[in-house]
Amino acid sequence: EDQVTQSPEALRLQEGESSSLNCSYTVSGLRGLFWYRQDPGKGPEFLFTLYSAGEEKEKERLKATLTKKESFLHITAPKPEDSATYLCAVCIYNNDMRFGAGTRLTVKP
Amino acid sequence: EADIYQTPRYLVIGTGKKITLECSQTMGHDKMYWYQQDPGMELHLIHYSYGVNSTEKGDLSSESTVSRIRTEHFPLTLESARPSHTSQYLCASSEGTANGYTFGSGTRLTVV
Repeated sequence: EDQVTQSPEALRLQEGESSSLNCSYTVSGLRGLFWYRQDPGKGPEFLFTLYSAGEEKEKERLKATLTKKESFLHITAPKPEDSATYLCAVCIYNNDMRFGAGTRLTVKP
Repeated sequence: EADIYQTPRYLVIGTGKKITLECSQTMGHDKMYWYQQDPGMELHLIHYSYGVNSTEKGDLSSESTVSRIRTEHFPLTLESARPSHTSQYLCASSEGTANGYTFGSGTRLTVV
């Protein structure tokens, strides 16, 4: 059965303390892996799409990487405004998008 | 500036009432989706549409219905609301998958 698992569920960092969020998946026919950011009371906002193992994408303090079984979202020197829930999703063979439960990130000044 | 609009943002209604959640997008996307999201849980697909007059049910069993009479409009209707329908409902649209989905801000529904 297709599954997406994100860890940790919650992460608290000090400003400037770099870390990584994990998204592991077991799906048949991966057609893309997506990262979204969701702020409280809002819908998810698209960040990155990754298609193949070894691919990397960067945006400001965020870098997403992909292997055959998992993806990492690396946050370098985070700031309080990076606090949000980060969602991972996979697009499978029938174009369904399956979402993980997210990692709730808090960055304290 | 939002390209996909959901109304209302918040709604508290009594059991048994009929409600319609509105979703409109200005991007001309053919594909539209309704997701249900509970706190700390993954988004669950409840309905989707790949174009006018095309609607399908998603993975999550739902007592709601949708319609797609115009490209830009994808309303969701609950004929008889129950407390188990209390949740956040998110509407999304896409042109393909390369740029992911564009989500609205959601409707938080509480059925009392």
